[in-house]
Amino acid sequence: DAMVIQNPRYQVTQFGKPVTLSCSQTLNHNVMYWYQQKSSQAPKLLFHYYDKDFNNEADTPDNFQSRRPNTSFCFLDIRSPGLGDAAMYLCATSQPSNAGADTQYFGPGTRLTVL
Amino acid sequence: GENVEQHPSTLSVQEGDSAVIKCTYSDSASNYFPWYKQELGKGPQLIIDIRSNVGEKKDQRIAVTLNKTAKHFSLHITETQPEDSAVYFCAASWGGGSNYKLTFGKGTLLTVNP
Repeated sequence: DAMVIQNPRYQVTQFGKPVTLSCSQTLNHNVMYWYQQKSSQAPKLLFHYYDKDFNNEADTPDNFQSRRPNTSFCFLDIRSPGLGDAAMYLCATSQPSNAGADTQYFGPGTRLTVL
Repeated sequence: GENVEQHPSTLSVQEGDSAVIKCTYSDSASNYFPWYKQELGKGPQLIIDIRSNVGEKKDQRIAVTLNKTAKHFSLHITETQPEDSAVYFCAASWGGGSNYKLTFGKGTLLTVNP
């Protein structure tokens, strides 16, 4: 089945130690998103790629970076994780169409723990 | 920017009863309204969506209604089952491609009691 895959599902890192989360998709969608979701909150958009064009949200900390080497893969890099960065990280994809706003499809998420 | 208010924040119903979750949005330009179900420890799953050119959409036990004039939309779940228990998020958006932004409500924790 076509889908959005995130690895790992659970990641534990130490305070200040760089960590990379990965997302892949078999939907061949042009747009990929990264969201941060903290407990009992709605997902918060960090940034997204439209093809190779990177779009950063104004309030996304510089500590968060992203790479998209090809259509299928997108990575979230946290350069120096703090305790406040512990959260669920969600990847989503969408495909622009003439129907108007695009439908987003989410992956299962990566739960990040910072010790 | 867009602001989406969602009510109630928690909802508890008996199995077989109906559940209704309501959302209001602020930006009249919004034209797409998806609903997501999120189970504990999982990613949000799209369950139904509606575009501004229709007023109601139904899929088996789930229906969504949209009132563009009042800028509100609602999720209706009939004949609820324990497996419907989850957090439900409404969202609103406009545009597409690089201009696409999805604004979420704060979520509703639905509990269906057997």
